[in-house]
Amino acid sequence: DVQLVESGGGLVQPGGSLTLSCAASGFSFRSYNMDWVRQAPGKGLEWVSYLGHGSRAIYYADSVKGRFTISRDDAKNSLYLQMNSLRDEDTAIYYCVRDSNHGYAMDVWGLGTTVTVSS
Amino acid sequence: QSALTQPPSASGSPGQSVTISCTGTSSDVGGYDYVSWYQKHPGKAPKLMIYEVNKRPSGVPDRFSGSKSGNTASLTVSGLQADDEADYYCTSYGGAKLIFGGGTKLTVL
Repeated sequence: DVQLVESGGGLVQPGGSLTLSCAASGFSFRSYNMDWVRQAPGKGLEWVSYLGHGSRAIYYADSVKGRFTISRDDAKNSLYLQMNSLRDEDTAIYYCVRDSNHGYAMDVWGLGTTVTVSS
Repeated sequence: QSALTQPPSASGSPGQSVTISCTGTSSDVGGYDYVSWYQKHPGKAPKLMIYEVNKRPSGVPDRFSGSKSGNTASLTVSGLQADDEADYYCTSYGGAKLIFGGGTKLTVL
């Protein structure tokens, strides 16, 4: 089965750091572009970052640019999101998502990992 | 980057059709045929329903259809069923970024 499993969420103080991981299985991970998408409590979905296969293209939302870093390890079938200088407004469920390679459509989603930024 | 504009709510009775709009600009919705629609039930991961404006992934019923005119994309759900009650989000590529709509809560009366 095609599957994405996130880990690494938790409680962190404002200004702190956290790294999220996403383990992919059931498909050729190295061939796909990947994204992180988040949903804050009571809010809508917000795209966070995109990483093209072969790391050819990297995009960030303005809200996280300069603070978050997306990366991948194709040998480990894993996607990462390094989050620094965390703010209260970064509190959300973070989803690891596979890009379908068709028009930036996101066709496989993990169940998400929760990040809470609070003192 | 501003979110795409969606109505906060929409509703219809079982069997009826409902259309949800998604308005952007010429830099996103109007500039690319890269509009997608997602269905999200509470507590579950989003599900891709439409990609590249009007294409359906395998397994999505043909009751779901998409279209675009200028800077506005639309999702139409025909033959409404109880399980269609969910939040719906549009997205568009906007040049080195992806932009979500604010979401529309679809209620089946």
